[in-house]
Amino acid sequence: DGGITQSPKYLFRKEGQNVTLSCEQNLNHDAMYWYRQDPGQGLRLIYYSQIVNDFQKGDIAEGYSVSREKKESFPLTVTSAQKNPTAFYLCASSPSDPAGELFFGEGSRLTVL
Amino acid sequence: GQQVMQIPQYQHVQEGEDFTTYCNSSTTLSNIQWYKQRPGGHPVFLIQLVKSGEVKKQKRLTFQFGEAKKNSSLHITATQTTDVGTYFCAQSANAGKSTFGDGTTLTVKP
Repeated sequence: DGGITQSPKYLFRKEGQNVTLSCEQNLNHDAMYWYRQDPGQGLRLIYYSQIVNDFQKGDIAEGYSVSREKKESFPLTVTSAQKNPTAFYLCASSPSDPAGELFFGEGSRLTVL
Repeated sequence: GQQVMQIPQYQHVQEGEDFTTYCNSSTTLSNIQWYKQRPGGHPVFLIQLVKSGEVKKQKRLTFQFGEAKKNSSLHITATQTTDVGTYFCAQSANAGKSTFGDGTTLTVKP
């Protein structure tokens, strides 16, 4: 089935460690996005990419990095510079620009111990 | 960027009652999308509105876009337990950046 796959679903990390979250889509979408969700809050945009080998910072990019080497893949690295990394991370894609409907993965829940 | 404010933050209803959530902006929106996120799940797209005064229906759900394109609402008639979750509005700007409201969490008592 077509869709977006995020892994891992749950991740625990010690302070000071970098961690990479995977996001793969087989929807042939050009645009991909990473959002962060904290309890009781909406989704905040971390990074987005409209095309391979190009990406832009969103509203809360500090402490995060991404790459877009393939159309299907948009991994997110949460670095040790991110002050409060414990959150629910959602990857999304869309077929057009500007984005209308976003297709979301099931999310990755990161907990920093 | 543009911000969208959503109210109320929480709504508790008895099964069978109606429910409405509102999305407001101080600036004109080019479009508005609505998503539903079940507890523990991920947001799922419901609908997009783009025209001034637009009204769309999906079974018991009615979506409206204001005449001035500064507000939108989602109304659920006769709620069911399957309606529980958080409903988000969002607007997408150029370059694909979607801005989300903080959501309205609906609980339904059987």
